[in-house]
Amino acid sequence: GENVEQHPSTLSVQEGDSAVIKCTYSDSASNYFPWYKQELGKRPQLIIDIRSNVGEKKDQRIAVTLNKTAKHFSLHITETQPEDSAVYFCAANFGNEKLTFGTGTRLTIIP
Amino acid sequence: GAVVSQHPSRVICKSGTSVKIECRSLDFQATTMFWYRQFPKQSLMLMATSNEGSKATYEQGVEKDKFLINHASLTLSTLTVTSAHPEDSSFYICSAPGRVHTDTQYFGPGTRLTVL
Repeated sequence: GENVEQHPSTLSVQEGDSAVIKCTYSDSASNYFPWYKQELGKRPQLIIDIRSNVGEKKDQRIAVTLNKTAKHFSLHITETQPEDSAVYFCAANFGNEKLTFGTGTRLTIIP
Repeated sequence: GAVVSQHPSRVICKSGTSVKIECRSLDFQATTMFWYRQFPKQSLMLMATSNEGSKATYEQGVEKDKFLINHASLTLSTLTVTSAHPEDSSFYICSAPGRVHTDTQYFGPGTRLTVL
């Protein structure tokens, strides 16, 4: 099956600085890569996604880059704010719309 | 987007009892829904794919006789944890594919199951 690795597992950044989270995937057939933000006890919320026909996508302070050749994709958050503190999960699709999730990154924004 | 609800949000039960969790798509029809389990400080693990009108497909290592899934209508899937034990205590979350992009998944609010 699909394997998705995510790094780092924890990340602390000063408010206003940028945060970068990286993921690699194993199935070369994967073509959809979403990122979810999950606050404690809550549901995962889709914050941005990218499909394999593009290399980069941006939505305000959040961007995702994809390198299909290397099979890795990254989440970039700029001008971080305290409310960005949460656990972030990357994911990749495989067979029939199923998603495999990365192991998660606990992001802490230091005021 | 798409709105997915789950019920109950929290349930506490005694060991050996069964618990049913409902997942509903509120403003759209979903022929497919997914069930995940998330242990504390861990990632989401796909348990099974619920298919309307047919049998669910289970991921490797998930006991189909223990985790019964029924997808009786286009807006409702249920997960029944049978003969629950303390090790089944977890956060159970369902999701449904989006209407426009079916590879996008929208999650329900989750059900916190505690088995005493």
